[in-house]
Formats: sequence, C-alpha cells, structure tokens
Amino acid sequence: KNEVEQSPQNLTAQEGEFITINCSYSVGISALHWLQQHPGGGIVSLFMLSSGKKKHGRLIATINIQEKHSSLHITASHPRDSAVYICAVKRGATNKLIFGTGTLLAVQP
Amino acid sequence: KAGVTQTPRYLIKTRGQQVTLSCSPISGHRSVSWYQQTPGQGLQFLFEYFSETQRNKGNFPGRFSGRQFSNSRSEMNVSTLELGDSALYLCASSLDIRTGEQYFGPGTRLTVT
Repeated sequence: KNEVEQSPQNLTAQEGEFITINCSYSVGISALHWLQQHPGGGIVSLFMLSSGKKKHGRLIATINIQEKHSSLHITASHPRDSAVYICAVKRGATNKLIFGTGTLLAVQP
Repeated sequence: KAGVTQTPRYLIKTRGQQVTLSCSPISGHRSVSWYQQTPGQGLQFLFEYFSETQRNKGNFPGRFSGRQFSNSRSEMNVSTLELGDSALYLCASSLDIRTGEQYFGPGTRLTVT
C-alpha cells in the first residue's frame, strides 16, 4: 500500500465547477505539499501545509492531521486549471518528499 | 530572483554511457533535492544535499550518485545507463531542510536508447 494515496486518479469537470481532490497518508508528517504539473511542464508548488487551511486565489488547501487527510479545492474552475495535481508529504527535518500518484484534472470549456 | 535552473534540458544517451546533470538553486538556498519522474513509478526521491553533505538518499542503485558544491550548485551522475533510467529528472531547492518550501526546476528529460 502506498504511503500517500490520492483520489480520484482522473477527474473531468466543466468550466465553473467546484473541484475537490483528496489525499490520505499513513505516516507521520511534518508538512504536506500540493504540487501542480502541466503536461510536459515542470512542477509548481501550490501550498505547503502543516495544519489548518490555506487559500491562494481560487485554490484552497486544508489538512486534518488527526485524520491524516488533506483536500485541495478549486473554485470556479477554468480550462487553464487542467493539469496533474500531486500531493506529497515531508517527514521530519528533511526535504525528502513522498509523493502520491497524482490526479489528472481536465476542465472542459 | 532567478528560479532553479537545470542543464541540460534534454539529453539522449545510449545504454552503458554515463551522464551528469546540473542544478543551480535559487540564490541563497542551501538545500537541493533530486527526484526522478517516470510514467510507471511516478515521482521518486533520489538525494538531498545540504551544505555540501548528502543528508538523505532514496532507494536507487549505486549507479546514481550526486554531489553539492560550496556555491550550493549540485550535480547528479548516472553511470552505466539502462533503458529504465529514461525519465524526467527534477531538482528542487529550499532555504534549508527545516522550512521545507521547495522550488522546482524545469527538469532534464533523459532518454536512453
């Protein structure tokens, strides 16, 4: 079993819809990252969380440490949000990341 | 401030050869981590360097090695290349190993034929 699980693996939405991507992990962590990767592109860090909630524009990330679960929400989705979204966890005083398998999001106009 | 840069961006090698990839972190960042991304295995951690010392190593064979220089630039080397080493190699830099905010480079696409 992977230490970091994401769901769904694939997601198709219509422009304007509210989107939720989930991440569950089975190990103790010091922080959780949400990353974005466009096709053929590099990786951009969206959020790093160790507790609570963070918001940046139309993106919101939450984490529940007790339940070992995090969610990434996209409000008013747009075709430019189409990308792979990756959850990754950091353990202790190290930058080593353990990655989920990613969620491929396609937002149709 | 310039972002993380990686060179070369694309590379084609043949089996048995060796390759060296370079990563220049954001100015002032002292930690560099390397990752391999393949369609089959996804993203996997290779190494982590801080102040010229390897702090962590992933589960990769000894053919994969790396180092960090006094200016925080890092290189990774893969010897005796195999077809399965074809991948996108990403490096990420951060200020230190505690704050953890990592900034990724564009990656080097290595193709082994």
